[in-house]
This record gives sequence, structure tokens and C-alpha cells, in this order.
Amino acid sequence: ETGVTQSPTHLIKTRGQQVTLRCSSQSGHNTVSWYQQALGQGPQFIFQYYREEENGRGNFPPRFSGLQFPNYSSELNVNALELDDSALYLCASSFNTRGAEAFFGQGTRLTVV
Amino acid sequence: AQKVTQAQTEISVVEKEDVTLDCVYETRDTTYYLFWYKQPPSGELVFLIRRNSFDEQNEISGRYSWNFQKSTSSFNFTITASQVVDSAVYFCALSEAGGTSYGKLTFGQGTILTVHP
Repeated sequence: ETGVTQSPTHLIKTRGQQVTLRCSSQSGHNTVSWYQQALGQGPQFIFQYYREEENGRGNFPPRFSGLQFPNYSSELNVNALELDDSALYLCASSFNTRGAEAFFGQGTRLTVV
Repeated sequence: AQKVTQAQTEISVVEKEDVTLDCVYETRDTTYYLFWYKQPPSGELVFLIRRNSFDEQNEISGRYSWNFQKSTSSFNFTITASQVVDSAVYFCALSEAGGTSYGKLTFGQGTILTVHP
């Protein structure tokens, strides 16, 4: 086990609603990254947080937003949910160094209906 | 922009066969890192190996071995004497050293490996 925990594990939401996903990083890690993994695809980078600030963002619209807290845990918020947002959302924690290994949680499976 | 290609979508083998998973990458950086992750049905990505662009030595860890060839931009992964427990989705990923998003990973599409008894 990596020590990265995500909640909830599964979630069903209706199109147009908002959702918050949570992640507790591995002890000592100061960086959290979020990824979206659609069925049958590789994970896609959403954004990264370091020292409570966004530190890089992938090709995702502003309705995807996040927070990092002083204890390095993090939240991913998605507003105005669309059907295509249905995916596995993975959180990864790491140190903020080049080539750092990322340790992943088990993911949150979001279904938008 | 960086890109990782895993051309094999699915591979099916019988236990004890050797299997090689291919990975080809593109990057403009001279310093970068390559990774392999395993994703079992539980969903969690499990780290297997990291290689930096300056270290082309092949690596062996038990039944696993990795062949990094900069000349062909490839980082292939071989499982020797495969076992049923090796069944999973395997991802190759690239992390560039430039910028500030250290640890940002670009993943391939993944290869589904099924090992039959």
C-alpha cells in the first residue's frame, strides 16, 4: 500500500451537479497531482498542487479546480458535471523534485448520469 | 510536447511464457525520466521502475527486466516466466525535467496483459 487514500471510492452524480473528491497524501510528500483516467485509456494529468498553490495544469477547463491544505491533503472539485467526466480520478503524491516517483491512491470512480 | 505510445493494446500469454511490453516515447527535453506502472483491477497504479535519460543500463529485478534504448526512444519491459498474478494493465510514462511541475507524468494508453494458467 502506498499510504495515499482517496474518498469516496465510488460516486454517482447527475449532469450539471458539482462534486468534490478528496485525497490524503503519503506522509512527508508535499506535492499532490490529480489525473483523470477514462475507461480503456491512460491517466491524463489534470493539475498539480505544491505548497497549497496550483503548480501546473493539463488541458482541462476551469470547472476543474482544486485545493491543497497545510497538511498536504487535497481536494478536486468539478462543477457543472458532464457525461464525459465519468472516469476514474487518481490522486498521486510525491516530493517536488525532478523525476520524483509518484505514489497513487486507489482512485475514485465517478459516474455522471 | 511529450508523447508515449504503447502499440500493444492487449497481450495474452500462457503461464511461464516470457512477454515483452513495448513503449516508445517522444520528447524534446534532453533530461527526462521514464517509468513503468502496473494497474491491477483494484485501480491503484503501482510503481515498478524509474529510469533517467542519462542511464541506459538495462535493469533486472527478479522476473522483471527493462531495456532502455535512447537511439530508438524505447523503454521496453520484459516479464520472464509470467504468472497469473502478472495479469494487469501496464503503463509506460514520461516525466520531463523542465518546468516546475515535477512529477507530472504523461502516460501511454496502456497494455492489458492476461496470463492464462
